Amino acid sequence: DQQVKQNSPSLSVQEGRISILNCDYTNSMFDYFLWYKKYPAEGPTFLISISSIKDKNEDGRFTVFLNKSAKHLSLHIVPSQPGDSAVYFCAASAMIDNDMRFGAGTRLTVKP
Amino acid sequence: NAGVTQTPKFRILKIGQSMTLQCTQDMNHNYMYWYRQDPGMGLKLIYYSVGAGITDKGEVPNGYNVSRSTTEDFPLRLELAAPSQTSVYFCASSYSAGTGELFFGEGSRLTVL
Repeated sequence: DQQVKQNSPSLSVQEGRISILNCDYTNSMFDYFLWYKKYPAEGPTFLISISSIKDKNEDGRFTVFLNKSAKHLSLHIVPSQPGDSAVYFCAASAMIDNDMRFGAGTRLTVKP
Repeated sequence: NAGVTQTPKFRILKIGQSMTLQCTQDMNHNYMYWYRQDPGMGLKLIYYSVGAGITDKGEVPNGYNVSRSTTEDFPLRLELAAPSQTSVYFCASSYSAGTGELFFGEGSRLTVL
């Protein structure tokens, strides 16, 4: 069962504009959420995270928003840069658990 | 500054062959994981370990085995390879479970023909 879903396989935006990547989850036990970025032929790398006690976390150009009632989170990248072009994975975990569930990923293309 | 190192990066196996994917980390992390990524799918957990001598099954453990004799190493063994095991395999480590970010290796692309 897909407990973490990224319904958009791909997203294309113009350089300088905002990129919004979305993620939905079904398991109400999840209390920690992360975004990973993956370039071709490399492993995923951690980007930003948020715990369920917060609804927003910001790190430079990257902001993650969490809506617990809707079981939805989103990653905003402002302004988008061509170097941001990569696959972005949403992940979720429960603090009492040893498992981290991943979405299928969204391929972001930022056009110059 | 090695982080998590996986070998081999690529391998082609025949049906029924066996092989071991090697993973080593130099960050002294207790937690280590093996994931597989199939096209269009997220990463699925195969096995994980919370410390030397302790391993447990993840979401998709069938057809695989692991061992954790040291903190640094976490090899993944494929027995009797099947086409369904064609995938990209990622090893990862973290300093804590639940809230710890994962540090991934570069991946091992395995094809079973």
